[in-house]
Order: sequence, then C-alpha cells, then structure tokens
Amino acid sequence: EAGVAQSPRYKIIEKRQSVAFWCNPISGHATLYWYQQILGQGPKLLIQFQNNGVVDDSQLPKDRFSAERLKGVDSTLKIQPAKLEDSAVYLCASSLDPTGSGNTIYFGEGSWLTVV
Amino acid sequence: AQRVTQPEKLLSVFKGAPVELKCNYSYSGSPELFWYVQYSRQRLQLLLRHISRESIKGFTADLNKGETSFHLKKPFAQEEDSAMYYCALRGWGATNKLIFGTGTLLAVQP
Repeated sequence: EAGVAQSPRYKIIEKRQSVAFWCNPISGHATLYWYQQILGQGPKLLIQFQNNGVVDDSQLPKDRFSAERLKGVDSTLKIQPAKLEDSAVYLCASSLDPTGSGNTIYFGEGSWLTVV
Repeated sequence: AQRVTQPEKLLSVFKGAPVELKCNYSYSGSPELFWYVQYSRQRLQLLLRHISRESIKGFTADLNKGETSFHLKKPFAQEEDSAMYYCALRGWGATNKLIFGTGTLLAVQP
C-alpha cells in the first residue's frame, strides 16, 4: 500500500519568509499528525486531526504556525513568518483511529526545512 | 508530566555483541510503550510495542512498571541493526499522542 506522502522534501528559506508543507495520509486513515523534529531531539507533536477536526494543537505556535485538513484527507502546514529556530524536519503521520489499543502510526519521509 | 528518557545518544558495539538500549518513562497511569527505528535514508517506522510481547528482527523489550523502564534488547547485534532508535509512549485519552525520547544511535561495528 502507498505510504504517507509529503512534499517538498527539502526547503531553504530566509527568516521572515513563509513556507508550506503538504501531506497526503494513507488512504482511509482518519487521524493525521504533524510532528516537528529538531536536530538531536525526538519528534514533537504539533497538531493532530481527527478527520477534518483538530484534536490537539496545544504545542503549535499559533502566532506563526497554522495547519488545515480540508475534506478530512490532505493537510497543509504553514509557517509565516519563519524564524531560525524553525529549522527542523516536519513529519506527517497517519493512523486508522487514535483510540484503538495498539493502533499503529505511520510516518512520512519528512520535509526538511532550513531557515537562514 | 509525561516524559520519555533515553540516556544514551550513541551506543557502539561490535557485531555479535549483546545490545541494550535504555528507555525510562514518566507517566501517571499505564501507558502504551513503543520502539520506533529509523534506518539511514528511511522513514521512521514502528519496531515493536509492549502489548504485543513479540520479537521483531531479534529485538525484544519488556515493560517494567516498577522501574518505569522499557529497555530494548538483542542478544547478538548485526551490522544491519545500525540505526536511530526512539522510545515512545502513548497515554490513554482523546488524543493518544505519541511522546518520543531523544533517540539513541546504535552503531554496530564489523
């Protein structure tokens, strides 16, 4: 089966510019996650969608980050304006249902962002 | 607070040697524990979960609630085991989000 697709794979922007990342989850997966992974750290959840509704965005810096999942399938994550500390890998992941015990979360290859 | 601690950033062993990657967690209750692995140039993927009590690629992990640990073990390391390993926990509730440790890079020398 096709995995979680993300684009672009790599992006270099200057600080104060904007950037958008796109994610297409595995077909049929209701739950979609965006994680931020800074070099040397583990992934940190930014936002979780259940279908097209937000379940958890407690760690999303809402002054500059936004995300949407229109129609409950694809999702975009936007950063505007970007800061140097936003340099990271942005991982999209999906799962069938977050409440099922042992439910597996599948990750995309990630979008590497460098802010200069 | 929910937290996962992996004390070793790097673990280097020789092929055929035993491996133990340490993971300790902090959670008020009974979480689900996982090990994820990321091979070079590949995506993060699930290696094993504690509720399955299974052995994957020769790796096992036992949940020790008394010590709040979930160490990953393999009796004989192979070169292809070289990768980044992340321990993660998931609590119970509406979000069920994964909380990751900082990861341990396992380097298996020939």
